[in-house]
Amino acid sequence: DAGITQSPRHKVTETGTPVTLRCHQTENHRYMYWYRQDPGHGLRLIHYSYGVKDTDKGEVSDGYSVSRSKTEDFLLTLESATSSQTSVYFCAISPYGGRDIQYFGAGTRLSVL
Amino acid sequence: GENVEQHPSTLSVQEGDSAVIKCTYSDSASNYFPWYKQELGKRPQLIIDIRSNVGEKKDQRIAVTLNKTAKHFSLHITETQPEDSAVYFCAAVTGNQFYFGTGTSLTVIP
Repeated sequence: DAGITQSPRHKVTETGTPVTLRCHQTENHRYMYWYRQDPGHGLRLIHYSYGVKDTDKGEVSDGYSVSRSKTEDFLLTLESATSSQTSVYFCAISPYGGRDIQYFGAGTRLSVL
Repeated sequence: GENVEQHPSTLSVQEGDSAVIKCTYSDSASNYFPWYKQELGKRPQLIIDIRSNVGEKKDQRIAVTLNKTAKHFSLHITETQPEDSAVYFCAAVTGNQFYFGTGTSLTVIP
C-alpha cells in the first residue's frame, strides 16, 4: 500500500465536541483528499488540497474544515461534531490530481454520540 | 456539479459467469473514469481506469468501456471467481474532483 497513515483509526466522541483527523503521507504527492463513506452514498468528497496551504471544497464540505501546513500532512477538523457526521472517513493521495490514480488510506471510523 | 449513477446496487453471479456494472455521468467535462474495488473492511483500490480519449480498455479478466456521447461507462468482469466478491465503485473526474457512484455489491457464488 502507498505510504498513507490515518489517525486515529477509530474514535467515539460526543455531540458538540471538536474532532481532528490526521492524514500523513510519505509519497510526497501533491494532492490530498478527504472523503466520507456512508451506506447508500458511496464516497463523497469533503475537501481536497493541491499544495501546502492550498485547499478547495468538495460536495459535502459544510461542517468541516481542513488545513495543510506541510506536504505530508492533511488535517480534517469537525469544529462541533454532530451525529450526522458519524461515518467512515478516508484520506486519499494522488500525484497528478484528476488526471491519475488515487491511493486511499485505511480509513477512520468516527462515531458521534 | 457532476452526478454519477451506478447500477445495479447488488449483483449475484455464479462462479465462471460474467458480471457487468454500469454507470452514467452528467458532466461532459469529465475526462477520467476509474473503477475501485473495496473488500469488506478494507480501503478502496483501483482496478482499472479509462480516459475520455479511449473507448475500451482491458486488463486480463477486467474490461471497461466508455461511451462519451451517451455519457455512460461499464465494467465487465469475465470468468468470475469467489475472490471477485466485493463492492465496486465507479467514478467520474472533473478537474481535480472525483465523483463516485453509490457502489455495486458483487457476490460470486461458488
